[in-house]
Formats: sequence, structure tokens, C-alpha cells
Amino acid sequence: DGGITQSPKYLFRKEGQNVTLSCEQNLNHDAMYWYRQDPGQGLRLIYYSQIVNDFQKGDIAEGYSVSREKKESFPLTVTSAQKNPTAFYLCASSIQTGELFFGEGSRLTVL
Amino acid sequence: AQTVTQSQPEMSVQEAETVTLSCTYDTSESDYYLFWYKQPPSRQMILVIRQEAYKQQNATENRFSVNFQKAAKSFSLKISDSQLGDAAMYFCAYILWGEKLTFGTGTRLTIIP
Repeated sequence: DGGITQSPKYLFRKEGQNVTLSCEQNLNHDAMYWYRQDPGQGLRLIYYSQIVNDFQKGDIAEGYSVSREKKESFPLTVTSAQKNPTAFYLCASSIQTGELFFGEGSRLTVL
Repeated sequence: AQTVTQSQPEMSVQEAETVTLSCTYDTSESDYYLFWYKQPPSRQMILVIRQEAYKQQNATENRFSVNFQKAAKSFSLKISDSQLGDAAMYFCAYILWGEKLTFGTGTRLTIIP
């Protein structure tokens, strides 16, 4: 089935460690996005990519990094520079009309 | 920058009744898209309904319909015959073609049996 797959669903990290969240899509969408969601809050854009080998910072990019080497893949690295990384992370892809298709999310907890 | 405002952090409705969730947005553009997304307890975001700004007719999807007032920059969601499965966070979103999607802060909808 076509869709977006995020892994892992749950991840625990010690302070000072980098972690990478995976996002893969088989929808043949050009654009992909990473959002962060904190309890009781809306979605904030971290990074987005509209084409392979190109990406732009969103509203809260500090402490995060991404790559887009393949159309299907858009991994997000949460670095040790991110001061408050515990959150729910959502990956999405979109068609040209802007409608987003979301993965099931990854919950990161820093111990 | 475009902004999307959802002024109702929480709403509740009796099962089988109708509820309307409010959304306003700020833009100087004339051609854009508006969406309502639902986020149930499973946390996966699901598209409920979409509206193209150039269309005057309000979008409808089964029990879900919108009241799109372009001049007033208002985009409310009406849920008819509310069901227990409608309980979720609802997010309004705006996008200008070629730009990134902007979300509101969400409305938590509770269905009372």
C-alpha cells in the first residue's frame, strides 16, 4: 500500500546523544516535511524539502538537521544542540496542491 | 507571514448533535487552499476536508461541511450527527501554492454520549 512510514515509533535518548528519525514514502511525492508537536499544541515546521538534494529551514530548525538524497527518504537528525528534544515528530509528504499526507509519528523521549 | 487562528481550544457536543469549529486566517493572496485535519488519540493526522479558494461552493464530505467566507477570511467546519469516533483534535490549515502549510493551534473536540 502507498503511504509514509516513520520509524521508530518510540525512541529514548540520553542527553548529549544524536538520534535519527526515519521517514520513507512511496507516494512519489516531491515535497516532504518534518513537524514537531508538543503536548496540547499545534504543529511547528522544522524542515521541508521540495526536491531531492534541496531543503529549507522551517520555523524551528535549530538543533535539527536533514538530508534528501533520495526522493523517497527524508531522515531527521535531532542533535545534542536541541535543548528540549522530547516531543512527537510527524513526517509528511505532499502533492502539488499542498494536501499533506502524514506518517504515524515518532515519539522521542530524552532521559 | 500567513497566520491561522483557531479561537476555540476546546469544544464539546452531544452525540448525534451538530457542532461548528471556527477558523480564521490572514492572507493577502487570492488563490490558496484550506484544509481541516483530524488528529485522533492515535496521533496520526487525517485529512477531513479541503477547499480551494477559487471555488465559491462550500466543500462537503459526508457529515463534514465547511462554511468558507473568503472576504471575511473565515473557514469553519461543521460536523453533523456527531459520533463518538469524531472525538479528536481538529486543525485548520492554509497553504499558498508552492509554499509551506500553516496550521492553527487546534481545537479539541469531545463527544458526550
